[in-house]
Amino acid sequence: QKEVEQNSGPLSVPEGAIASLNCTYSDRGSQSFFWYRQYSGKSPELIMFIYSNGDKEDGRFTAQLNKASQYVSLLIRDSQPSDSATYLCAVSQPGTASKLTFGTGTRLQVTL
Amino acid sequence: DTEVTQTPKHLVMGMTNKKSLKCEQHMGHRAMYWYKQKAKKPPELMFVYSYEKLSINESVPSRFSPECPNSSLLNLHLHALQPEDSALYLCASSLNFIETQYFGPGTRLLVL
Repeated sequence: QKEVEQNSGPLSVPEGAIASLNCTYSDRGSQSFFWYRQYSGKSPELIMFIYSNGDKEDGRFTAQLNKASQYVSLLIRDSQPSDSATYLCAVSQPGTASKLTFGTGTRLQVTL
Repeated sequence: DTEVTQTPKHLVMGMTNKKSLKCEQHMGHRAMYWYKQKAKKPPELMFVYSYEKLSINESVPSRFSPECPNSSLLNLHLHALQPEDSALYLCASSLNFIETQYFGPGTRLLVL
């Protein structure tokens, strides 16, 4: 069973702080990794994708990938109350790149 | 522009009804997907169309019938659904089957 694991949270961080969300995956052959943000009652919205080991930055968001340790993380700098949402980690399965395996999501709460 | 549209936004149907969900994108994407999402769970893949051909069916019951009339349009025909089929139905598309998936806003379905 190919798995993607996330801490369900809630992860509570004060406004302005750095939020760190983590995701581990079981299939060592996985090649593409995605972070989606989902507000309650809404659909998932793509935040970041990463294919190579290392860091990838986009504005306040940084995705980090470590294939040797099989984890991917998302850092949100200067967290805002509007960042409060569930963050879904998704991993593509090797050989069937159209199939994404989603983690159960981490609920982030940014407090004033 | 990464817009995927879905209609209707909400749908209530009885167990003997026949209804259809519609998904449209005009981004030139050649892969389209149907997902089902229950509350507090990640999206579950149902079907994948690649170049207008069904490439993945995740053992979905036959009361769900997908259709891809052209490269921009994806339908999900519903018949004799059960109350447990109530969920958020999400459509997604990607440039091709190995690229990033973008989600539509979803149709919230209630089966009575």
